Amino acid sequence: EVQLVESGGGLVQPGGSLRLSCAASGFTSSDHYMDWVRQAPGKGLEWVGRTRNKVNSYTTEYAASVKGRFTISRDDSKNSLYLQMNSLKTEDTAVYYCARSSESRGYYVMDVWGQGTTVTVSS
Amino acid sequence: DIQLTQSPSFLSASVGDRVTITCRASQGISSYLAWFQQEPGKAPKLLIYGTSTLQSGVPSRFSGSGSGTEFTLTISSLQPEDFATYYCQQVKSYPLTFGGGTKVEI
Repeated sequence: EVQLVESGGGLVQPGGSLRLSCAASGFTSSDHYMDWVRQAPGKGLEWVGRTRNKVNSYTTEYAASVKGRFTISRDDSKNSLYLQMNSLKTEDTAVYYCARSSESRGYYVMDVWGQGTTVTVSS
Repeated sequence: DIQLTQSPSFLSASVGDRVTITCRASQGISSYLAWFQQEPGKAPKLLIYGTSTLQSGVPSRFSGSGSGTEFTLTISSLQPEDFATYYCQQVKSYPLTFGGGTKVEI
């Protein structure tokens, strides 16, 4: 079964750091683009960032709101994706989802999502 | 950045109704648009990509159309399990962006 499972969420003080993990199963994550998407309480979806696949050298893209503070990385040996979050702000409070992006008919689409992990930034 | 504006933000409908949700892009995105459904407390689910291609396993009552800057998601006959929030997303350029969502309620 194709699955993504996030972990690592929790309560952190403003200015602190947290690392989220996303474990993939049922497919080889290095073959796919992978994304992080977040959703603040009661709000809509916000794309956080992307890492391309191995063929594309795992290059990354980030939303302006997190660029320079968040870093996406991978560990192919663990078939996992990570989101290192530094200098956290209260506005980073959200459920964080990882998603697999697959190429289909020329489009990269987020076709598999994890269940999400909650990050709360508060003093 | 490409902004996506969904309308309406909230929609009240009945089982069996035909429902249409609109997504307008601030600039042309060709056919690089996807639609997602999100039930409360759950992860989003991909419904449609490339404006009109139905994701595998999605019921045929869902359809998408449009091009350029105006797109629509249509549910031909609303079912009880369709009451959820729907989001459009553009994948034409970075940063990827989502519409604000349309909540479909009974």
